[in-house]
Amino acid sequence: NAGVTQTPKFRILKIGQSMTLQCAQDMNHNYMYWYRQDPGMGLKLIYYSVGAGITDKGEVPNGYNVSRSTTEDFPLRLELAAPSQTSVYFCASGVKTRGEQYFGPGTRLTVT
Amino acid sequence: KNQVEQSPQSLIILEGKNCTLQCNYTVSPFSNLRWYKQDTGRGPVSLTIMTFSENTKSNGRYTATLDADTKQSSLHITASQLSDSASYICVVSENDYKLSFGAGTTVTVRA
Repeated sequence: NAGVTQTPKFRILKIGQSMTLQCAQDMNHNYMYWYRQDPGMGLKLIYYSVGAGITDKGEVPNGYNVSRSTTEDFPLRLELAAPSQTSVYFCASGVKTRGEQYFGPGTRLTVT
Repeated sequence: KNQVEQSPQSLIILEGKNCTLQCNYTVSPFSNLRWYKQDTGRGPVSLTIMTFSENTKSNGRYTATLDADTKQSSLHITASQLSDSASYICVVSENDYKLSFGAGTTVTVRA
């Protein structure tokens, strides 16, 4: 099992550009999550999904969009990138019963 | 507002020594408390999960305690190794998707 994979590992965007961060998991988990981690701060939930076709906002959803067309994939879309979106983004997946979450390696995004 | 406070922010210990990290939380309702280890440049990896009724749980040289009455938890690392150098994150869960993350304690183990 590859677990949770994320691409790209690093990306530099100019203000106003758009991009999609990819996330995939091969553990057949229903739950998937996107977080951002800023220096010195705890992870913040951006969006989450409880199954294919079902998504919902987390704590900091503004400026982002998600879709969940399959169980395996949960891409995060940034529209009109802003410097405030400079962060490390983590995707995670999990199962409902214990609420355990498995994290991907992260994508480091810089917006200049 | 649900909060998770960790202390100390960072610490340095010599290889072979023990250390204890603290976590205080105000999250309610409470489902479970988790400790994660995050190596530099990697995603967090789960060490322990404890529910309300559990007051201690071990994973190798890592032992977590939970006092749900005082809303405090600790993570004890025994006989530290260089590979223990990482950030340790306390996470308190309300349910499957509402998690409150602490900012983490950075542990540096020196030879």
